[in-house]
Amino acid sequence: GESVGLHLPTLSVQEGDNSIINCAYSNSASDYFIWYKQESGKGPQFIIDIRSNMDKRQGQRVTVLLNKTVKHLSLQIAATQPGDSAVYFCAEIPDNYGQNFVFGPGTRLSVLP
Amino acid sequence: DAGITQSPRHKVTETGTPVTLRCHQTENHRYMYWYRQDPGHGLRLIHYSYGVKDTDKGEVSDGYSVSRSKTEDFLLTLESATSSQTSVYFCAISGDISYEQYFGPGTRLTVT
Repeated sequence: GESVGLHLPTLSVQEGDNSIINCAYSNSASDYFIWYKQESGKGPQFIIDIRSNMDKRQGQRVTVLLNKTVKHLSLQIAATQPGDSAVYFCAEIPDNYGQNFVFGPGTRLSVLP
Repeated sequence: DAGITQSPRHKVTETGTPVTLRCHQTENHRYMYWYRQDPGHGLRLIHYSYGVKDTDKGEVSDGYSVSRSKTEDFLLTLESATSSQTSVYFCAISGDISYEQYFGPGTRLTVT
């Protein structure tokens, strides 16, 4: 079946540094990608999304990059703060899934003081 | 949490008993989803609904059934709970305009 995965299951960064979380996807026909943040004991929360006709999209302190050639997605967090500590999930909508996401297993980001 | 509530938030039940989890939304969104989340896995889709009385299976639907008699409510039923169904269950909703899914706070279910 289709799969969405993450290169690094855990990531530790110093407060103030930039963080980069990576994701590989397998379906070259996927049209839409999204990043979610999940804090302990809570449901996932939308961070940023990107469509397949874009290479880059920026939000507040976050940037998502999409490289369709190598089927790679990344989330960049600028000036990482303690409140950024969470698990981050990428997800895609494969071409034949309608509204249904396929989620990756997640990367835990720990921000060190 | 975008007008989504889940009940109960925590439940402990015994193997073989039926369990129903409820998801309630106040956003009038068309699509509703049930996911389970387990250590080492991402969110896995159990069932979803694309309208009242319209539902379909997801990736891990065995042992689960759903019902949606009103736009605002989506019920997940475990007919005969097993220990493998111990998990955290999340409900999500989405509308017609955007793919973005909004998640509820989750229900932690333990089957002993």
